[in-house]
This record gives sequence, structure tokens and C-alpha cells, in this order.
Amino acid sequence: ETGVTQTPRHLVMGMTNKKSLKCEQHLGHNAMYWYKQSAKKPLELMFVYSLEERVENNSVPSRFSPECPNSSHLFLHLHTLQPEDSALYLCASSQEPPSANSNQPQHFGDGTRLSIL
Amino acid sequence: AQSVAQPEDQVNVAEGNPLTVKCTYSVSGNPYLFWYVQYPNRGLQFLLKYITGDNLVKGSYGFEAEFNKSQTSFHLKKPSALVSDSALYFCAVRDRLYNQGGKLIFGQGTELSVKP
Repeated sequence: ETGVTQTPRHLVMGMTNKKSLKCEQHLGHNAMYWYKQSAKKPLELMFVYSLEERVENNSVPSRFSPECPNSSHLFLHLHTLQPEDSALYLCASSQEPPSANSNQPQHFGDGTRLSIL
Repeated sequence: AQSVAQPEDQVNVAEGNPLTVKCTYSVSGNPYLFWYVQYPNRGLQFLLKYITGDNLVKGSYGFEAEFNKSQTSFHLKKPSALVSDSALYFCAVRDRLYNQGGKLIFGQGTELSVKP
């Protein structure tokens, strides 16, 4: 039990479908993250939310839309995805102080394995 | 620019032998350094971190890592490998000065295989 729960664990969808990935953290953290992990590629940071505000968007296509309604929940809304979007999507959280000088590790969920048909 | 390099895609070790997984980094200021492990069909699990002080950091499952500032390295080590250590290992860095929203920079990962 990592304290970060992702649902669903597996998702198969067609390119025209709309679906959402959910992440919930039970650690009282104030920052949450979405990563994409593809085979043979490094982890790609997609979005960062700090105190429920998006602080980073790493040139992610608009077919991925994040939502952070409160500090415990993070969603990734998916629409009109492409086959190359098939990957493991990981959510993480951490406790970040007001200053930039943080040494806190991120805590990861077990991911959603997404397959686009 | 901040970056992390793990020069080996795969490391093979016999059970009972010592293991080393290599990591080098590049940051503008002084780094915070982390190691994570990922088992199949799981997320990343935090192993250990270097903040300051003693260059040898001890972490979970008997792992340790040695910070070397002159070589800008943070190699992961274990004196005696177990078959159950077989997994994907990630090194990560955070620049103390230029850090925005807790962002970590990850290496590409090293697959560790421990054979009986």
C-alpha cells in the first residue's frame, strides 16, 4: 500500500472514446503529478499540480486534460487518443514546502495501463 | 540544464555477489538525489535519497548509494544481491536552487537481473 491509489488499473479504449483516469492520495500531500511511462523510454512528466494549481504542463497534447478538484484527487481526462498514447500512466504525490528548497521524495501509485485500439 | 544519465540499460549479477547500478547527474546548483525501484506491474518505490552530509546513504532493502561530488555520481550498491532484487531502477535529481513545484528529473532506468 503506497498511499496513492490509481483507478482503473487497466483500460482499453478506442481512439474516439472519452475516458478518465483517477488518482487519490491518502498522505496529506499538497502536490500531485502525472507521468507517462512508455516501453524503452524514460519517464515523461506530463503535469504538476501544487496546492491545486497547475504549475507545469510539459507540452502535452490537448487530448490529455488534467483536473485537480482538491489536494487529494487528480484526474486525467482522455479524448480522441492515438495508438502512440498507449503506455503506463503513473500518478505521484509529495509534500512541498513554500520555498523551492524541497528534498521530499514523490510517492507513486501503481499506474493505469492504457491501451488504445 | 538538469539531466540524469544511467549508462547501463541492463546489469546482470549472480545472487550473493555485490551489485552496482550507475548514475551520473548534471545540475546548476547542489543536488538532491534519489533512487527508486519499480517491480513489474507496479509504480515506483522510493529507496533512498541524498540531501547533505555523509556521502554514503543507506536505504530500504539493504541498498545504499555513494554520492561523489567530484565525479557527479550517485551509484546504487548492495553488498549481496538477491533474486528478488531483480527490477527496474531509476535515479532522479532535483536542483536545490532551480526547483519548481517539486519537479524531479529521472534517468532512463536500469534493468537489474539477479540470477540464482
